[in-house]
Amino acid sequence: GQQLNQSPQSMFIQEGEDVSMNCTSSSIFNTWLWYKQEPGEGPVLLIALYKAGELTSNGRLTAQFGITRKDSFLNISASIPSDVGIYFCAGRGSSNTGKLIFGQGTTLQVKP
Amino acid sequence: NAGVTQTPKFQVLKTGQSMTLQCAQDMNHEYMSWYRQDPGMGLRLIHYSVGAGITDQGEVPNGYNVSRSTTEDFPLRLLSAAPSQTSVYFCASTRNIGQAALANGYTFGSGTRLTIV
Repeated sequence: GQQLNQSPQSMFIQEGEDVSMNCTSSSIFNTWLWYKQEPGEGPVLLIALYKAGELTSNGRLTAQFGITRKDSFLNISASIPSDVGIYFCAGRGSSNTGKLIFGQGTTLQVKP
Repeated sequence: NAGVTQTPKFQVLKTGQSMTLQCAQDMNHEYMSWYRQDPGMGLRLIHYSVGAGITDQGEVPNGYNVSRSTTEDFPLRLLSAAPSQTSVYFCASTRNIGQAALANGYTFGSGTRLTIV
């Protein structure tokens, strides 16, 4: 089946630093989504991408849909303590079932 | 408040017991799904439903049953709990399965933390 590999698994950074994480797939996805999960809560959507090459921003967050349609990355600029959480990529393939496949998650910790 | 409501928030079961995790949404969403979250493995799809009366299996369906008798409710049943089913379970919904729905993302519940001893 389709799998997503997300890296890095965890990051511990200083406040103000930029962050980059990525996801790669063994197969093509038509949609890439990035979610953030805070402790004790469900994931919340950050950015959705629909076209190969698409670059989309949401405040300090920027995500891109890779040209090959097999990868995506998320950048966070000038990190702040409230950026702490687990970030997940998710992809939807060619089937029209709405099923999302999730990456393993990147745990981000920000030191003030 | 509108959203996805999961109950209970926490549960401890003995091996072999059965139970039902409840999920309800009041947004008239057609699509509902159940995921389990385990450390280092992200969220894995257990079962999903594209509308009332229709369900299908996800990546890890074994040991779980679902039904969708109404648009609002999508309960997940563990028939005979096993320690391997210790996990955090999330229910998620979206209005439809088209691209417009994905623009709004899936709405997730706050999760049920289940421990099987």
